Amino acid sequence: NAGVTQTPKFRVLKTGQSMTLLCAQDMNHEYMYWYRQDPGMGLRLIHYSVGEGTTAKGEVPDGYNVSRLKKQNFLLGLESAAPSQTSVYFCASSLGQVQETQYFGPGTRLLVL
Amino acid sequence: GENVEQHPSTLSVQEGDSAVIKCTYSDSASNYFPWYKQELGKGPQLIIDIRSNVGEKKDQRIAVTLNKTAKHFSLHITETQPEDSAVYFCAPTRDTGRRALTFGSGTRLQVQP
Repeated sequence: NAGVTQTPKFRVLKTGQSMTLLCAQDMNHEYMYWYRQDPGMGLRLIHYSVGEGTTAKGEVPDGYNVSRLKKQNFLLGLESAAPSQTSVYFCASSLGQVQETQYFGPGTRLLVL
Repeated sequence: GENVEQHPSTLSVQEGDSAVIKCTYSDSASNYFPWYKQELGKGPQLIIDIRSNVGEKKDQRIAVTLNKTAKHFSLHITETQPEDSAVYFCAPTRDTGRRALTFGSGTRLQVQP
């Protein structure tokens, strides 16, 4: 039981390049989340999904897109990376309901030059 | 949305001392109050939570107390150890009309050996 895994662990992009971050969970969780973490700002919600085929915007969705084609996977896309998107990205999943425990992945460190 | 503030932002204690972190929230309908711990280089992990019908909850050296009237709750760590050094986040929420947590900006706890 691997829990929540994230791919890749670290990536360097040039401004304007695109990439996809992959999150996978093997706990059969309904809800999945993408957060970004910047120094001194805690965790900010980018997008989330309450089930396969559904997505919703969070607090800071601009510049990102997501897809949840399979229940176990949640993809975060950057169409045209900007230096302001340099951050650490965390994926999380939970059984369902906001009061369920969120299980986080190890994070992806992204540097946009 | 929920306005969440944590104090202090950094806290340094000697090993064996106690540490207290306070979380203030704005939504009077909040009824679920979790604390997450993030160790260096890892994703956050739930360490303790409390619901609005309970005033205090303990789990070994950690405890959470809730003051719903004043809209704040606190994390208490007794007999601190070096492995308690981490960033702690609160994420108060309510179970209706919410699909995701709003995290505080975090408190960095340093336990000096």
